[in-house]
Amino acid sequence: AQKVTQAQTEISVVEKEDVTLDCVYETRDTTYYLFWYKQPPSGELVFLIRRNSFDEQNEISGRYSWNFQKSTSSFNFTITASQVVDSAVYFCALRGLGGATNKLIFGTGTLLAVQP
Amino acid sequence: KAGVTQTPRYLIKTRGQQVTLSCSPISGHRSVSWYQQTPGQGLQFLFEYFSETQRNKGNFPGRFSGRQFSNSRSEMNVSTLELGDSALYLCASSLVASNTGELFFGEGSRLTVL
Repeated sequence: AQKVTQAQTEISVVEKEDVTLDCVYETRDTTYYLFWYKQPPSGELVFLIRRNSFDEQNEISGRYSWNFQKSTSSFNFTITASQVVDSAVYFCALRGLGGATNKLIFGTGTLLAVQP
Repeated sequence: KAGVTQTPRYLIKTRGQQVTLSCSPISGHRSVSWYQQTPGQGLQFLFEYFSETQRNKGNFPGRFSGRQFSNSRSEMNVSTLELGDSALYLCASSLVASNTGELFFGEGSRLTVL
């Protein structure tokens, strides 16, 4: 079975603080893809990153960085110097290789509130 | 480039009624998938269509159905609505039906069942 766990339900930080959102996944597939999406109040899920299971290289994009560790089945997301505009719900998701499918397994999301 | 368009954005129905939601994917995208988002169950996969064929289906009752047209636009239908069907229904489009593609989501249709 595939599962994504985001243990942090809500996080509140003050602007300019760094914050890390945790994501732990379970899958029996040897090839899989991990994603992070941002959901602002408008409801749309905004794609942030996709990482395949063979690429454990950490990635940095501006203030965002991702730490993928297969040994601990984790794919954590860090926002450096957070801003009020970062306030949103963040979802981690998993997509397995089983068949040609776009089915995503989502975590329950982490609500990030950045206070000015 | 227009994004994924979902209509209507908001709607209110009563128990027992049926509803049809529409999704227009990004131009050129042939894969459309649907997700239900509720506070209790989170984001759950409903079904996926590619070239007018359903390729995958989630664990939802038969009251939930969908289809895709030749222009890749998709509709989902929920019959005999129940209170628990109140949710945000999100549509996502992708260029291809493969697990390497990026999914682009619309803003969703928020359904309230009274």
